[in-house]
Amino acid sequence: GENVEQHPSTLSVQEGDSAVIKCTYSDSASNYFPWYKQELGKGPQLIIDIRSNVGEKKDQRIAVTLNKTAKHFSLHITETQPEDSAVYFCAAKGPGGGSYIPTFGRGTSLIVHP
Amino acid sequence: EPEVTQTPSHQVTQMGQEVILRCVPISNHLYFYWYRQILGQKVEFLVSFYNNEISEKSEIFDDQFSVERPDGSNFTLKIRSTKLEDSAMYFCASTGQRTDTQYFGPGTRLTVL
Repeated sequence: GENVEQHPSTLSVQEGDSAVIKCTYSDSASNYFPWYKQELGKGPQLIIDIRSNVGEKKDQRIAVTLNKTAKHFSLHITETQPEDSAVYFCAAKGPGGGSYIPTFGRGTSLIVHP
Repeated sequence: EPEVTQTPSHQVTQMGQEVILRCVPISNHLYFYWYRQILGQKVEFLVSFYNNEISEKSEIFDDQFSVERPDGSNFTLKIRSTKLEDSAMYFCASTGQRTDTQYFGPGTRLTVL
């Protein structure tokens, strides 16, 4: 089955800096890669996603890049703000093996210091 | 904006007791899921449900677990005889089509004493 590795487990930045979270996946058939933000006491909320037919997608201060050859994808947050502090999960999902269930990474705790 | 809701937000129970966690998926969605997250760990898939039957389940989803869609709006997860290790956050999610993005509820924190 799919295996998703996520790094780093904790990321601490100053307000205004950029933050990058990286994930790798194992199943080359995976074709959908969502990123979720989980605030304390809440469920994961989708913030951005990318499909395997594109290499980059941007939405204001966040962007995701995908390298299918290397099987890795990254989340980039620019001009970080204290309210960006949360746990971020990457996931990979696809038709490989017939499963449409996303496999999640272990999460990155992002701390943005004012 | 439509959202997935879950009740209760926190459930405390004694080991060996039965619990039922409730979810109301987004109204026009067709696929429903339960996940759990042990404190500080990643989100783990339990089960998916479509057309009134289980479509996929993980090895975590053993005979102690069951799911049901008792009416047109609710989707429930029952744990028949809770164990200490069942303590976790349980998230419900739903999608309109199988390949669509999953929308998660706020979760139910289950504490087994």
